[in-house]
Amino acid sequence: DTGVSQDPRHKITKRGQNVTFRCDPISEHNRLYWYRQTLGQGPEFLTYFQNEAQLEKSRLLSDRFSAERPKGSFSTLEIQRTEQGDSAMYLCASSPGLSSGMEETQYFGPGTRLLVL
Amino acid sequence: AQSVTQLDSQVPVFEEAPVELRCNYSSSVSVYLFWYVQYPNQGLQLLLKYLSGSTLVESINGFEAEFNKSQTSFHLRKPSVHISDTAEYFCAVSGGDDKIIFGKGTRLHILP
Repeated sequence: DTGVSQDPRHKITKRGQNVTFRCDPISEHNRLYWYRQTLGQGPEFLTYFQNEAQLEKSRLLSDRFSAERPKGSFSTLEIQRTEQGDSAMYLCASSPGLSSGMEETQYFGPGTRLLVL
Repeated sequence: AQSVTQLDSQVPVFEEAPVELRCNYSSSVSVYLFWYVQYPNQGLQLLLKYLSGSTLVESINGFEAEFNKSQTSFHLRKPSVHISDTAEYFCAVSGGDDKIIFGKGTRLHILP
C-alpha cells in the first residue's frame, strides 16, 4: 500500500451541479478524515470516521455536504448544488486510531481540487 | 478548544542561511504537535511530530522543532537551508485521538 489516494485529482463543475469525491485510506487505518483547504489558508477540518461511524462534523459542513464510509474502507464526500464558494482543495487523511495500539499520525492524500464556475 | 498561530505568513532567507519558522498554540488538554510541508503542486507531507518524550524532534532532511510547554511554542528550525526547501510549512495541533487544527501556513522563500 503506497498511501492515501483520492479521485478525481481535479474537478471543474458548473454552479448548481452535484459532485462526488472518493478517498481510499491506508489499508490498516481505522480513522478517515476530510479537510478543506482554500487558497492561502491551512486545511480546515470537515468530518471524520472511525470505521464506518461518522463521529464528528464541523460547522463548515453545511446541509449540502454529505460524507459516507459504508464499509469502513473507502469514503465519499458529496457536495450538492455546488456554489462558487465551494471551490477549494478537498483533502483526505487516514490514521490508525488509538485503539489500534499504533502511533496516531494522520497521513494525507494528494487532494481533489474543485473549481465551481 | 485548540488553536495554532503561525506568526509569519512568508519568510525569505538566503540559501545556506539558518531559518526559524515560528508557531504558537493554545490548548486546554495535552497535545500532539506537527509540522507538515507542502511543496509546490504537491500534497501535505508530515515533516516531524511531537507526541511525547524528548521535546526536541528531528526530520530526516535536517529540520528540527522543540516543544516548549511553558511558552506554548513549537518553532521549526534548520541551520542551513537549501533551494529544495522552498515550500509552505504548516504547524498543527491535535488532542490525540482527534482532528488536527492547522495554522495558516508560512511560505518559505529561498533566495539564491
